[in-house]
Amino acid sequence: TQLLEQSPQFLSIQEGENLTVYCNSSSVFSSLQWYRQEPGEGPVLLVTVVTGGEVKKLKRLTFQFGDARKDSSLHITAAQPGDTGLYLCAGEILFGSGAGSYQLTFGKGTKLSVIP
Amino acid sequence: KAGVTQTPRYLIKTRGQQVTLSCSPISGHRSVSWYQQTPGQGLQFLFEYFSETQRNKGNFPGRFSGRQFSNSRSEMNVSTLELGDSALYLCASSQIRGKNTEAFFGQGTRLTVV
Repeated sequence: TQLLEQSPQFLSIQEGENLTVYCNSSSVFSSLQWYRQEPGEGPVLLVTVVTGGEVKKLKRLTFQFGDARKDSSLHITAAQPGDTGLYLCAGEILFGSGAGSYQLTFGKGTKLSVIP
Repeated sequence: KAGVTQTPRYLIKTRGQQVTLSCSPISGHRSVSWYQQTPGQGLQFLFEYFSETQRNKGNFPGRFSGRQFSNSRSEMNVSTLELGDSALYLCASSQIRGKNTEAFFGQGTRLTVV
């Protein structure tokens, strides 16, 4: 069972369109991170949201953390071909006990293609 | 400063063989986490090492093991390879892997088992 459900799994849109990617769970996370991964590369961190209801903006990307810290969304305005990639959300949870045992659990990702 | 370095980038092995992958974290980072990425399952946590000790382990069979050296470099080993072990193996380094800690990923090792 996947702890984090991402939707949609695939998205193909025209340049200039807007889109939203969702990340949902029944678990509460201490923080939620969004990554972008390009083919043949490792994921690169885009943003970390920590507080329930928090909204962060990164140029044309807007990230929101749900009030209950169980879900998040990523909205892209006026998508560009350079936005193409795999978008991954990752929730931080406490493994075992101890202050240093936080680990990331990932959704399966949303594969975005922006067509020029 | 240099990023996370994983070697080799690509590997082809035969069923039943064993393989060792290497990860050099960012200088000063003491935590190394390993993940397996497949199209069907996404990124799944294998284990995490901190100061040469395995601190957490995901739900993988005992054929998957790892270790960390005093310079924080880490290796993971997979014995008796199966076709289903074909995947991109990623390592991520963090300063301490505490709460709200940023993780930096390497480019990964693409393992193909034939």
